[in-house]
Formats: sequence, structure tokens, C-alpha cells
Amino acid sequence: DIQMTQSPASLSASLGETVTIECRASEDIYSNLAWYQQKPGNSPQLLIYDANSLADGVPSRFSGSGSGTQYSLKINSLQSEDVASYFCQQYNNYPWTFGGGTKLELK
Amino acid sequence: QIQLVQSGPELKKPGESVKISCKASGYTFTNYGMYWVKQAPGQGLQYMGWINTETGKPTYADDFKGRFVFFLETSASTAYLQINNLKNEDMATYFCATNSGYEGVMDAWGQGASVTVSS
Repeated sequence: DIQMTQSPASLSASLGETVTIECRASEDIYSNLAWYQQKPGNSPQLLIYDANSLADGVPSRFSGSGSGTQYSLKINSLQSEDVASYFCQQYNNYPWTFGGGTKLELK
Repeated sequence: QIQLVQSGPELKKPGESVKISCKASGYTFTNYGMYWVKQAPGQGLQYMGWINTETGKPTYADDFKGRFVFFLETSASTAYLQINNLKNEDMATYFCATNSGYEGVMDAWGQGASVTVSS
């Protein structure tokens, strides 16, 4: 199985700040990577697929990049509603696997 | 729009079975596969597998082979997860999810169903 390693595990940032979350795959996943946001008490919601494509309705302050084994999620101008956990997920090789998650809090 | 509505919370004893439902609406049920994802308390997401809603064929991730069963009631646009011989480590929230676009991308999720295992 492909291992997905996310960093950092937790992050504290101020409103308006730019935040970056990293995700490393144990082998090349050819940009078959999604990012999900999970707010406390809610189900995950798709943010980005194919490493850099924004899902419908997702604000443009979210962006994804990367290739090969290294990927990142960037949030520009952090808003209070962005407080959540973020998970990466590869869908290049079955079984699909998730990263361990990054918990984002406000400073 | 696609909506997945799951059954309510369950409280079970070790060794019992539990059945969780996931009712789909807003699309043709057999067009998209249904995924299942486990989230233990305070933990991350763990992919359990999926069921082909056209053929009914389930595919399980290695950690979920044996006691876990995916099945369908296609006439009711509903997918089910049954867990047999419950163990303490099965205590978690279970999500169903589907993909209307790319295979493997979960773009619609149920609200989750919590299972508590306690003697």
C-alpha cells in the first residue's frame, strides 16, 4: 500500500496568514491526489482533486500543487471558517490511502 | 444534488453485529460506486473499501476483510455496512461516500454514523 505522510500534524496560524500543508507519498502517485477539509463534528468535504483542481464551490484562496511524491495545500488569507482538519488522499494505486491529517487552529 | 443520509448512532456490546445504512438521492444510484471510510475517535480517516453499485461486488481493504460486509438494496438506493462480531477497536464513526467524477475522488459524503462498543 502507498503510505501518505502529512506535515505538520498540527498548525496554529493567525487570520489573514498564508498556510501550507505538505503531503508526501511513498511512491510516485502521478498527481492522483485529493485534499479534504473536515470541520469539527462534520464529514470530510472535497477541496481539491488531481493535485491542483479546485472542487465546485471551494473558495479560490485554497490551492494545491505538486507532482511525483510531494504535494502541498496552500490557504491564502486564512479565515476563521478554515479552522478544520485537512487530509490528503491518493487514488493512484488501490487501496486508496489517506494522510494522517493536519489540525489547523487559530493563533 | 447528490445527498447521502446515514442511519443514526448505535450502541452495541462486544460480539454483537451492527448494520449501518446509507441512502442516496439526487442521482441514479447505480451510476457511481459507494465507498466506506472509518474514523476512530480523534483519529484520521481509514479507507475500508467500496461496492460496485451496478454489480453489487464489494472490494475490501486488507484491514477490513472478514468481519465487514458491504451490500446493497438497489431498489431503495441504499448501501449498507454490516460489522459482525464487534470488537472494541470497531468503535468509530463510519462514513459512506461516492464519486460522481474521477474514480477514487470522494466528492459527496454522508454525515457519518457512530458506533459505540461497550459491555
